[in-house]
Amino acid sequence: GQQLNQSPQSMFIQEGEDVSMNCTSSSIFNTWLWYKQEPGEGPVLLIALYKAGELTSNGRLTAQFGITRKDSFLNISASIPSDVGIYFCAGQSIDAGNNRKLIWGLGTSLAVNP
Amino acid sequence: ETGVTQSPTHLIKTRGQQVTLRCSSQSGHNTVSWYQQALGQGPQFIFQYYREEENGRGNFPPRFSGLQFPNYSSELNVNALELDDSALYLCASSLPGVETQYFGPGTRLLVL
Repeated sequence: GQQLNQSPQSMFIQEGEDVSMNCTSSSIFNTWLWYKQEPGEGPVLLIALYKAGELTSNGRLTAQFGITRKDSFLNISASIPSDVGIYFCAGQSIDAGNNRKLIWGLGTSLAVNP
Repeated sequence: ETGVTQSPTHLIKTRGQQVTLRCSSQSGHNTVSWYQQALGQGPQFIFQYYREEENGRGNFPPRFSGLQFPNYSSELNVNALELDDSALYLCASSLPGVETQYFGPGTRLLVL
């Protein structure tokens, strides 16, 4: 199935460090979403971006919708142990029938060393 | 406000069998989407239901089918199970036309 290019695939960092991950696509999206998934749980929405160039923050998280509408990044500042998990980007496309569906990245696995 | 719930949490089936997974949407959400997430992968869109009708479908064969009920709950049915159907099946609910989807904890299916 179709998936976005998300990098890095995994990160192992020290507590307090900043983290950056990004997502690229060959297609244009009108919405970019960032989710976090922990073991045994479904993804939880972190940030939603609706406009090209938009920069949005949610606490220590900041995400931007690329101006080409084909990419997005997520930054986490001053990481803490509970940031551990898999972070997914997702872009929303609208098909010919005006149906919305999310296309997902493969995820960035984040480990934080206390 | 009740979140998205799914049942069962885990399931083991054998090749060729049929399975039904269930999802109760978040209160007030009338749109339900189903995703398949293989180990180490991102979720793959299966289909979406709105007003009890299929409202968009991903690249999944017809043996993946679904239902939505008047109370907005939904079922995912998979016939003739194959080994590659082993995955976490996620249900997400939302309001129509709204991108924010709220996910349940998933049902982990193992096909032997």
